[in-house]
Amino acid sequence: AQSVSQHNHHVILSEAASLELGCNYSYGGTVNLFWYVQYPGQHLQLLLKYFSGDPLVKGIKGFEAEFIKSKFSFNLRKPSVQWSDTAEYFCAVNPTGGYNKLIFGAGTRLAVHP
Amino acid sequence: DAMVIQNPRYQVTQFGKPVTLSCSQTLNHNVMYWYQQKSSQAPKLLFHYYDKDFNNEADTPDNFQSRRPNTSFCFLDIRSPGLGDAAMYLCATSFDIGGEEKLFFGSGTQLSVL
Repeated sequence: AQSVSQHNHHVILSEAASLELGCNYSYGGTVNLFWYVQYPGQHLQLLLKYFSGDPLVKGIKGFEAEFIKSKFSFNLRKPSVQWSDTAEYFCAVNPTGGYNKLIFGAGTRLAVHP
Repeated sequence: DAMVIQNPRYQVTQFGKPVTLSCSQTLNHNVMYWYQQKSSQAPKLLFHYYDKDFNNEADTPDNFQSRRPNTSFCFLDIRSPGLGDAAMYLCATSFDIGGEEKLFFGSGTQLSVL
């Protein structure tokens, strides 16, 4: 069955530290890849997405993610986090060719301390 | 302004007592989805409507039903809630059904079953 694994359930960082959140998926075909973010008390919203082309994609608020096909990975990065990045981050996969059925990872809770 | 609105934010019901969760959207999107998210787990798609066409996921229990009386509204009915149905229920919309579509989420309804 298709699945998405996020390596860390909780991450604690200080402001200005660099961030990398791991995401691996299991699916043999082509996929669309997403990172969604949920700030405290808010709804899930799209952070960035990859469909094709340049495997390094840039999203909002200085986030980027790199698709490495050989590793089935789509890790999220930010060179310098801010307190306002405190949120829960969800990696999601959508196998291409079918309807929109996002398969989510379990999420990573990021806490950034001032 | 909220575009996908879920009411209520918190819902408490009794074991076996039917409960309905509601979702409305101001985006005029064709597709509406219901996800179930249990504590510390990934959101899991229950079903979706593409216009009036209902699509149930294969592993969604029969206890869960949905109605979409018009474009703007969609309801999740749990006929006989069990303790295992306590979860956050997320409604989402997208303009179309393709795998590249961005999802717009509501803030969710947290369901407790006593």
